[in-house]
Amino acid sequence: ATQMTQSPSFLSASVGDRVTIICRASQDIRNDLGWYQQRPGEAPKLLIYATSTLQSGVPSRFSGSGSGTDFTLTISSLQPEDFATYYCLQDSTYPRTFGQGTKVAVK
Amino acid sequence: EVQLVESGGGTVQPGGSLRLSCTASGFTFNKYWMAWFRQAPGKGLEWVANLRGDGSVMHFVDSMKGRISISRDNAKNSLYLQMDSLRDEDTAVYFCARDTNFYDGSAFYDVFDMWGQGTMVIVSS
Repeated sequence: ATQMTQSPSFLSASVGDRVTIICRASQDIRNDLGWYQQRPGEAPKLLIYATSTLQSGVPSRFSGSGSGTDFTLTISSLQPEDFATYYCLQDSTYPRTFGQGTKVAVK
Repeated sequence: EVQLVESGGGTVQPGGSLRLSCTASGFTFNKYWMAWFRQAPGKGLEWVANLRGDGSVMHFVDSMKGRISISRDNAKNSLYLQMDSLRDEDTAVYFCARDTNFYDGSAFYDVFDMWGQGTMVIVSS
């Protein structure tokens, strides 16, 4: 199975900060990667698919980049509603696998 | 309204069985791959299984292979997850999700754009 290593596991930030989350795959997954946001007690929400395509309705402060084994989710200016946990998910191989998650908390 | 609603969760003893359901509304169900995910208490997300729109192709996570089956009834707009020989470590919230496969001309991508609210499964004696 393709292992996804996400970092950091936790980060504290303030409103307006630029935040970067990294996901590394154990093998080449081309650009077959999505990013999901999950708030406590809620279902995950799709932010980005195919590495960099923003899902409809998602604010443009979210962006994704990368290819092969190294991928990045960037929030350009953190907003109050962005404090949540973020997961990457590879869809290159079966079984699909998530990163461990990054919790973004208030500094 | 476009939505997914899971049901069938509950408490079951180790070794027991449970069948989860996911009922869809507001979209043409049989045109979409569907998937199950789970999340153990305080833990991260895990992909469990998926199933093509016509029910002909499916995949499973290794840790549950041989213990689960996935099926759908397109006439009822419903997706199912049959879980047998349940273990303590299967305790989790189980989510179903719609996969709006995106094709960019050269490759397909999973796009899990709609999720249910989840149903809790507790495996405990």
